[in-house]
Amino acid sequence: DVKVTQSSRYLVKRTGEKVFLECVQDMDHENMFWYRQDPGLGLRLIYFSYDVKMKEKGDIPEGYSVSREKKERFSLILESASTNQTSMYLCASRQTGGGVTTEAFFGQGTRLTVV
Amino acid sequence: AQTVTQSQPEMSVQEAETVTLSCTYDTSENNYYLFWYKQPPSRQMILVIRQEAYKQQNATENRFSVNFQKAAKSFSLKISDSQLGDTAMYFCAFMKGSTSGTYKYIFGTGTRLKVLA
Repeated sequence: DVKVTQSSRYLVKRTGEKVFLECVQDMDHENMFWYRQDPGLGLRLIYFSYDVKMKEKGDIPEGYSVSREKKERFSLILESASTNQTSMYLCASRQTGGGVTTEAFFGQGTRLTVV
Repeated sequence: AQTVTQSQPEMSVQEAETVTLSCTYDTSENNYYLFWYKQPPSRQMILVIRQEAYKQQNATENRFSVNFQKAAKSFSLKISDSQLGDTAMYFCAFMKGSTSGTYKYIFGTGTRLKVLA
């Protein structure tokens, strides 16, 4: 089974801190994604990576950056955390082969609270 | 821009009954792909069912089936013989391509379904 692992389920950080959210997948997937989930807003794409060192902005990239130095790991970085970044963060990965119906696999989410 | 709309924030259904979750989407593309994902209280998103827009036949996976109406841009999910384990948040998603050639999901806002004993 594909496994997507996020480093923390719950995280509390202070305003202004630099925050790293880590995601690791074990199936050699090329594509990896970071989503933010908020009540009433669904999942919104922050950034995605289509290969090592390759990235593309999603719909809400402001205040975030990403890093993908190795294929299995995709990091989301909050350079200076703010209270409006309190949210649930979901990582996903997907194989590019197999056609467009290939599903994405998700981690269990990190609930980040910025105080 | 593509959008996905789920107009029912919350629903409930009695165990063993049938429930339908609605989803509409907006796109100018002709070939695309639609998905339903389930997110139980454990927060692990799980694929429920998928549908290619070029296929006229509605997809079915055991107790889950879709009613895909391409002209109406509607993609509803029917759950038959509802079980307590079906209690979850359900997300409708549309898959689109990007400039890099990567396909990415556009999600709706979700429907929280509660199955009652």
